[in-house]
Amino acid sequence: GAGVSQSPSNKVTEKGKDVELRCDPISGHTALYWYRQSLGQGLEFLIYFQGNSAPDKSGLPSDRFSAERTGGSVSTLTIQRTQQEDSAVYLCASSSYGTWGDTQYFGPGTRLTVL
Amino acid sequence: SQQGEEDPQALSIQEGENATMNCSYKTSINNLQWYRQNSGRGLVHLILIRSNEREKHSGRLRVTLDTSKKSSSLLITASRAADTASYFCATVLIQGAQKLVFGQGTRLTINP
Repeated sequence: GAGVSQSPSNKVTEKGKDVELRCDPISGHTALYWYRQSLGQGLEFLIYFQGNSAPDKSGLPSDRFSAERTGGSVSTLTIQRTQQEDSAVYLCASSSYGTWGDTQYFGPGTRLTVL
Repeated sequence: SQQGEEDPQALSIQEGENATMNCSYKTSINNLQWYRQNSGRGLVHLILIRSNEREKHSGRLRVTLDTSKKSSSLLITASRAADTASYFCATVLIQGAQKLVFGQGTRLTINP
């Protein structure tokens, strides 16, 4: 079956604009994760979904960041009023159940550049 | 903040040689996983080792885990040019959600 897909693959935006990043997990996976990879901070966890609820949002860096998941499938990460420090590769992953020992399968990422 | 530290940060070897990368972490874990990343994009899961395991093999990969030292190593035997990539260890903590906490990674270059 298809793997995790993300869109767009690249996004260039101007400082202050809002952006939406999309993640399509592997069909049937109940757990979905967002991570961010930047030069200064490495790979960081952002948020975790179990079904449509987000029991762990501890990694969201500010209230400009939000995410939702609908129908237990597609997730959207929204960044409002983007700043240059938001430039990074945003990675989405999904796993079967979100339990310990589950393999997380990653998408190709969205490279966000804020000018 | 990052849980793990990896060493070396960069490793360059000749094709056919073995490559060893190390990872240390700070808090108790449920399991530790190794991932590969090509060209700074998607991560590929390589192997998972649970906290009650000491060694695991998968093809040319051998992973060890020493929970008393809070460290793990990844050995790639008989390296190939296609193994050139960045390698990350990631831990799943005992407490909290099943998020991965990544190390800084090792950049491995295999010279033909």
